[in-house]
Amino acid sequence: DGGITQSPKYLFRKEGQNVTLSCEQNLNHDAMYWYRQDPGQGLRLIYYSQIVNDFQKGDIAEGYSVSREKKESFPLTVTSAQKNPTAFYLCASTKTVNTGELFFGEGSRLTVL
Amino acid sequence: QKEVEQNSGPLSVPEGAIASLNCTYSDRGSQSFFWYRQYSGKSPELIMSIYSNGDKEDGRFTAQLNKASQYVSLLIRDSQPSDSATYLCAVGDRGSTLGRLYFGRGTQLTVWP
Repeated sequence: DGGITQSPKYLFRKEGQNVTLSCEQNLNHDAMYWYRQDPGQGLRLIYYSQIVNDFQKGDIAEGYSVSREKKESFPLTVTSAQKNPTAFYLCASTKTVNTGELFFGEGSRLTVL
Repeated sequence: QKEVEQNSGPLSVPEGAIASLNCTYSDRGSQSFFWYRQYSGKSPELIMSIYSNGDKEDGRFTAQLNKASQYVSLLIRDSQPSDSATYLCAVGDRGSTLGRLYFGRGTQLTVWP
């Protein structure tokens, strides 16, 4: 079955460490996104990518980095520069570049100890 | 920053009743509007999209859009306990070709038997 796979589902990090969240899709979607969700908050866009080797900053990109070396993969690195990284991270993709009909992965919950 | 506002809730309705969820947005030029449902601890899933003024029905769900009032709503008829979730309103970015969305904080709905 097609879908979006995020890993790990739960991750604990010590302060000062970088962590990378994986996102893989087999839907043949062009555009991919990373959102962050905090309790009681809406989703906020971190980074997005329309095509391979191209990505754009969203509203809260500081302290994060991404790569898009393959159409299927869009990993997110949470760096030590991100001051408050504890959150629920959601990867999404869209069928075409003109739709907001996002398909989401199951999410990765990051906790900083 | 484009604003998307939702009534904070929580909203509680009895089984079989109509649940009404409301959303307003700040960018008058927005053209695409979406409702996502998010169960506790899970990722959002798209349940409705609407692009033109008026009503759009899909089963027990009806989305209503009034661009002049910058208002979009979701009605759930014959509410079921399985409808208990947080409902996120999302608005597409005007002029964007990337499907970039702005999300409200969500309204938590509880349907009691």
